[in-house]
Amino acid sequence: SYELTQPPSVSVSPGQTASITCSGDKLGDKYACWYQQKPGQSPVLVIYQDSKRPSGIPERFSGSNSGNTATLTISGTQAMDEADYYCQAWDSSPNYVFGTGTKVTVL
Amino acid sequence: EVQLVESGGGLVQPGGSLRLSCAASGFTFSSYDMHWVRQATGKGLEWVSAIGTAGDTYYPGSVKGRFTISRENAKNSLYLQMNSLRAGDTAVYYCARAPHSSGYMDVWGQGTTVTVSS
Repeated sequence: SYELTQPPSVSVSPGQTASITCSGDKLGDKYACWYQQKPGQSPVLVIYQDSKRPSGIPERFSGSNSGNTATLTISGTQAMDEADYYCQAWDSSPNYVFGTGTKVTVL
Repeated sequence: EVQLVESGGGLVQPGGSLRLSCAASGFTFSSYDMHWVRQATGKGLEWVSAIGTAGDTYYPGSVKGRFTISRENAKNSLYLQMNSLRAGDTAVYYCARAPHSSGYMDVWGQGTTVTVSS
């Protein structure tokens, strides 16, 4: 079965850039998206189709996808960005797969 | 306002059944694919099922044959019939909206908790 692997945790200082990776076999051939989930809340879509931002998502969130890795970048990270982040992709089966999740801590 | 509200969660014994519902409002329900996604306490997100606008259904191997997703467009409602429940099915269950054939979920409900225990 298809798997997406993320680092368990990423730490970043306020105002700095956080990069979260998502690795999967030939992931660049699929569309990737990213969700933010704060404690006790439902997931929120922050990036879809590799690099598009839904309405209302700040410009500091950006995404890319190539080869075997998709990346979510948070520029000028703020305390409010502290959350769990999940990547997700799908194939033609269709089968929808979530990444293992990354906890972002703003120190 | 676009909204998804789940209901029907609760405590059920192993081997039992439960039916979850998701009430949609604020958008044209029939035009969207719909999903169920679950999350066990302290764990990650797991896709559970999907239904397309034409009523086509999809499941991962972990629930195939036990869970059935359905929709009733006239009532703007999504359902998940869960049979032969196991302890490993214990989780918060979210319904989520997906633009047709897009693969991503742009609106999520608040979730309903299912606990499978004797």
